[in-house]
Order: sequence, then structure tokens, then C-alpha cells
Amino acid sequence: TQLLEQSPQFLSIQEGENLTVYCNSSSVFSSLQWYRQEPGEGPVLLVTVVTGGEVKKLKRLTFQFGDARKDSSLHITAAQPGDTGLYLCAVYQGAQKLVFGQGTRLTINP
Amino acid sequence: DTAVSQTPKYLVTQMGNDKSIKCEQNLGHDTMYWYKQDSKKFLKIMFSYNNKELIINETVPNRFSPKSPDKAHLNLHINSLELGDSAVYFCASSQVVGGATAQYFGPGTRLTVL
Repeated sequence: TQLLEQSPQFLSIQEGENLTVYCNSSSVFSSLQWYRQEPGEGPVLLVTVVTGGEVKKLKRLTFQFGDARKDSSLHITAAQPGDTGLYLCAVYQGAQKLVFGQGTRLTINP
Repeated sequence: DTAVSQTPKYLVTQMGNDKSIKCEQNLGHDTMYWYKQDSKKFLKIMFSYNNKELIINETVPNRFSPKSPDKAHLNLHINSLELGDSAVYFCASSQVVGGATAQYFGPGTRLTVL
């Protein structure tokens, strides 16, 4: 059983559409991170959320941490082909061990 | 001015061979990591070093041996390569100061074992 369950695993939409991807768990976390990985590259940190109910915006990306700090969502408005990539949520177990979800592979078609 | 670099980018080798992957970071971070990403894109930690000291060893076969000559370098040596070792290996670094810190990843090394 995965600590973090991401859904959907695959998502392919047209440019200009909105989308939401999810990261769920039955555990409570002190913080949660979202990374984006583009083909042929390593993951890059997008955001860290630390407070239950917290909402953070990064241009067209909106991240929310659940009130109970067990889940998180990423909403993209007016998706663009440059948003294509693998979106990974991750949490720390201890000070240094970062555990990832299995990711959502997002494709934005022109 | 690359922050975390890995060599080689691609590695193709035969079963049973021994190979090494090198990683360097110029961010001044104290902690470095090795991750394995399988064909389904699942990214899992293998090892973590803090100031050249092994902190995390995630039940990785002992054919895998990390070495950190200094805090800016973390290499991964793999003995007797097996087909199941084929994956993308990522090096990462972070400065652990408490709380959730950002990890900075290298571009990955795609290992193919034939």
C-alpha cells in the first residue's frame, strides 16, 4: 500500500482546459510538497504546503492542503502545452527521507 | 553553473558488469541522496548521506555501494548488474535545516542492463 495515492495516474486534455489532480493519504503530515518532472530531467520543487487548509498560487497553478493535512490538490487553470509533465506529491518521513506518490502524467495537447 | 550534475547521462551495459555513476553538487548542501525511478515513474529513495556519513539505506541490495568522498560528491557503484537494475537513477541534494526542505535533483542517469 502506497503512503500517497495520486489520481488520476494519466490525464490528457486540450490546451485551455482546467484540471485538478489529487494526492491522498490516510496519514496526517506536517507538510506536503509538489514537484514537476519534465521528460529527461529531474523533479523540480513547485511548492511546499504546511498549514491545514492552506492555498498557494503559482501563476496558473493553485495548490491546496486539506484541512486535516491528509491530502492535497493541484488545480491548473487554462492549461498550456508547457504544463506537460509528471506531477509528484511528496512528504517527509523523518528529517531526510522524502516519500513520493506514484505521480500523475499530464499531457496538454495543442 | 549546474546545481546538481550526474555522469554519465546514459549507461548501457551487460548483465554481470560493474558500473559507477558520479554526482556532484555546487549548492553547498550538507545532504545528498540517490533515488531510483522505475519504468512506471515511481521514484524511491535508496541512500542519503549527510556530511559524508550514511544516514538512510533503504534495504537496497548490497551490490549497490554509495561513496561520498566529500560533501559535494556522492557516487554510486553497482556490482554484478542485473536486468532489474535497469532504471533512471537520480542524485539529489538538500540543506536540512528543519521542516520540509527542497531537494534539488540532477538530470538523471538512464541505466540499461542487457
